Amino acid sequence: QKEVEQDPGPLSVPEGAIVSLNCTYSNSAFQYFMWYRQYSRKGPELLMYTYSSGNKEDGRFTAQVDKSSKYISLFIRDSQPSDSATYLCAMTGNTDKLIFGTGTRLQVFP
Amino acid sequence: KAGVTQTPRYLIKTRGQQVTLSCSPISGHRSVSWYQQTPGQGLQFLFEYFSETQRNKGNFPGRFSGRQFSNSRSEMNVSTLELGDSALYLCASSSVGRTDNEQFFGPGTRLTVL
Repeated sequence: QKEVEQDPGPLSVPEGAIVSLNCTYSNSAFQYFMWYRQYSRKGPELLMYTYSSGNKEDGRFTAQVDKSSKYISLFIRDSQPSDSATYLCAMTGNTDKLIFGTGTRLQVFP
Repeated sequence: KAGVTQTPRYLIKTRGQQVTLSCSPISGHRSVSWYQQTPGQGLQFLFEYFSETQRNKGNFPGRFSGRQFSNSRSEMNVSTLELGDSALYLCASSSVGRTDNEQFFGPGTRLTVL
């Protein structure tokens, strides 16, 4: 079993929809949780960063962490075609080694 | 400020050969991490270098090695290439190499092993 599980998708939604992306993990030592966005032929870029449990909002993006359930989510409101990309969750404890999910491919059609 | 650069962008090799990939971090960044990305396994951590020292290592065989120079530029070497080494190799830099510092990724080197 992988330390981090992420549904690979693809997820196809119409423009304006609310998108929910999720990851589950098994290592209770994880404290730092991140979401990266990767466009085709590009490296990942950090979207959201959360420490421990709770919610964090940045514009149309909201990251949620539920450590008791070992479950993290990224919500995208009013999704746009420009949001079409692969979204990767990543997490770590105190080892400085980031563990990534396999990524969910999102397609937002006009 | 220029981003992370990786050379070459694309590489085709045959089994048994060796390959060296290069990464130039953002100016002032002293930590460089390397990752392998494949469709089935996703992004897997290879190793991290900080101030010319390997600080963290992933679960890859000894055929994968790296080094960092005094100007923070880093190279990654893979010897005795196997078909399964075909992947996108990503380099990321951060200012102090801690998880609470954002890692900035380069565009990657696409390695194909025939």
